[in-house]
Amino acid sequence: GAGVSQSPSNKVTEKGKDVELRCDPISGHTALYWYRQSLGQGLEFLIYFQGNSAPDKSGLPSDRFSAERTGGSVSTLTIQRTQQEDSAVYLCASSSRRPGGLTGELFFGEGSRLTVL
Amino acid sequence: AQSVTQLGSHVSVSEGALVLLRCNYSSSVPPYLFWYVQYPNQGLQLLLKYTTGATLVKGINGFEAEFKKSETSFHLTKPSAHMSDAAEYFCAYSDEIKAAGNKLTFGGGTRVLVKP
Repeated sequence: GAGVSQSPSNKVTEKGKDVELRCDPISGHTALYWYRQSLGQGLEFLIYFQGNSAPDKSGLPSDRFSAERTGGSVSTLTIQRTQQEDSAVYLCASSSRRPGGLTGELFFGEGSRLTVL
Repeated sequence: AQSVTQLGSHVSVSEGALVLLRCNYSSSVPPYLFWYVQYPNQGLQLLLKYTTGATLVKGINGFEAEFKKSETSFHLTKPSAHMSDAAEYFCAYSDEIKAAGNKLTFGGGTRVLVKP
């Protein structure tokens, strides 16, 4: 597609249920990022994938959060046993690798709004 | 630890007036600085960025920002606000944009309201 695509756009779930959020990056982009945007909290880095390298998971808030990226393209963020504090907008971004190893501009999707009741 | 502070979570300006959004950072290494804009129900869009070189950076939609190392600031300005500028603006920081990637640290955001 032309941009970063995320699904679902809205998800309402009950406390304790597992959820999966999907991100389709821009074709050819080697880097993929997940951020969380909570009300009044700004944007919080969660995890970063770059090519075949081991992902940078330093921002994941707990072991209930995990993410994978299959075939270097689509990524899924999984939240197990959801809690009310997980309610937020989850944003995915991708970027390309330029000559010299520099990464380019981050392109963001519209986000997946998660509401945990 | 690096951090980004945006002064004012909400700013109200009149159409045609100056827009000034403040951003300060703390870092022990040279920063790379960014401003992003988020329109309602949309993702973030890059307005402008400072990496190296000229400290006055021009971006899209008439916005510009100036990197002032002595003040650890990267304030965003636009001479004349337009109704379409109503959005939320985020300042972001990175200490590297090399192969390890743009792991950005964001400020809390400033929501801009433009009055007719």
